[in-house]
Amino acid sequence: DTGVSQDPRHKITKRGQNVTFRCDPISEHNRLYWYRQTLGQGPEFLTYFQNEAQLEKSRLLSDRFSAERPKGSFSTLEIQRTEQGDSAMYLCASSPVWTTNEKLFFGSGTQLSVL
Amino acid sequence: DAKTTQPNSMESNEEEPVHLPCNHSTISGTDYIHWYRQLPSQGPEYVIHGLTSNVNNRMASLAIAEDRKSSTLILHRATLRDAAVYYCILRLNNAGNMLTFGGGTRLMVKP
Repeated sequence: DTGVSQDPRHKITKRGQNVTFRCDPISEHNRLYWYRQTLGQGPEFLTYFQNEAQLEKSRLLSDRFSAERPKGSFSTLEIQRTEQGDSAMYLCASSPVWTTNEKLFFGSGTQLSVL
Repeated sequence: DAKTTQPNSMESNEEEPVHLPCNHSTISGTDYIHWYRQLPSQGPEYVIHGLTSNVNNRMASLAIAEDRKSSTLILHRATLRDAAVYYCILRLNNAGNMLTFGGGTRLMVKP
């Protein structure tokens, strides 16, 4: 069990640039989640996939954000035209789908700083 | 969604028990009570969950009030490695595993 892997761990970018993050879930976990966390706050849900289908998106997910999970394995989260308010930790989590109460396994996150 | 209320922070001495409270007065009959914790520079990790009965696992115990309007996470012997933010979360049984985090309780453990 290698856990949930996120890449990169840190990203510094200039305002207006596009960034893309990658998440590799635990093998055979059907569900994959993206969260965002700002300093001193709990994580906020952004979106989730079951296999390759994106089943839910938060209202927080503006049209500058897009997430994909093309083959039901890894996922990418892209932010276009970054703004300073996008600076946050972006967390990925995965879980199996055996029951609705399976625990989520989180990665260590990608820390984004927009200058 | 039903919400939870937790103290912002708590302190404990090493090797003493810690009781972390959580109020959830608007909990519904199908809400499960979940606890996660987040160590510094890490993603959250699962601690324990329950519905009505008290639960124990190797990490902690969860005591649920009879009316389910409150619960307490119990760490039997706090260690320095238990210093973290602890989140109490209600999750609907049909919520697709999605978790809605609040602010959590920051636990500080003194040696």
